[in-house]
Amino acid sequence: DTAVSQTPKYLVTQMGNDKSIKCEQNLGHDTMYWYKQDSKKFLKIMFSYNNKELIINETVPNRFSPKSPDKAHLNLHINSLELGDSAVYFCASSQLISGFGEKLFFGSGTQLSVL
Amino acid sequence: KQEVTQIPAALSVPEGENLVLNCSFTDSAIYNLQWFRQDPGKGLTSLLLIQSSQREQTSGRLNASLDKSSGRSTLYIAASQPGDSATYLCAVRETSGSRLTFGEGTQLTVNP
Repeated sequence: DTAVSQTPKYLVTQMGNDKSIKCEQNLGHDTMYWYKQDSKKFLKIMFSYNNKELIINETVPNRFSPKSPDKAHLNLHINSLELGDSAVYFCASSQLISGFGEKLFFGSGTQLSVL
Repeated sequence: KQEVTQIPAALSVPEGENLVLNCSFTDSAIYNLQWFRQDPGKGLTSLLLIQSSQREQTSGRLNASLDKSSGRSTLYIAASQPGDSATYLCAVRETSGSRLTFGEGTQLTVNP
């Protein structure tokens, strides 16, 4: 009954490969996100989708392409992986709480290591 | 551009102590502020969400305060326990639907 689940948990791959990370939420939320956490532990947003529509697209390389087949899924595909892509990638979804704004719920993260 | 800073970067306390974690942000025009807990190998867990018009929120042993005009928030943890050991992050949202800006986090260790 995991709320936001992402797979795989660990991903080790060679430079130049193409890989995907999948994310699914069963909370019924309309908005989903991808965040990147670098070695300094800074969390930075990459993309945000609302009802399958892209609403936030930060300055990330074109090699990163999100895909939302439906509002419960937001997958992240990365082409031509580079060493600098090594990080932990978090998927999240958000719920609008009346009077408070949006509250985020995060997945457990995918640790990507590019060799 | 909003910047979020958390001090200290790391904190080690004996079990039972009350402690305060600090979060400051450069642009006081925020929509809400959220405190998270991050455990190694796990995702972020939302602890408290404070709307911009509120001064504080409480959940169990946790109390978060917000002083929007001075650009500060504190997370107070009462009677700390070893299970509280984790990294605590604060994040601010500037407008409804906008991105969250995270601080670097405070790594807390509570020693038995």
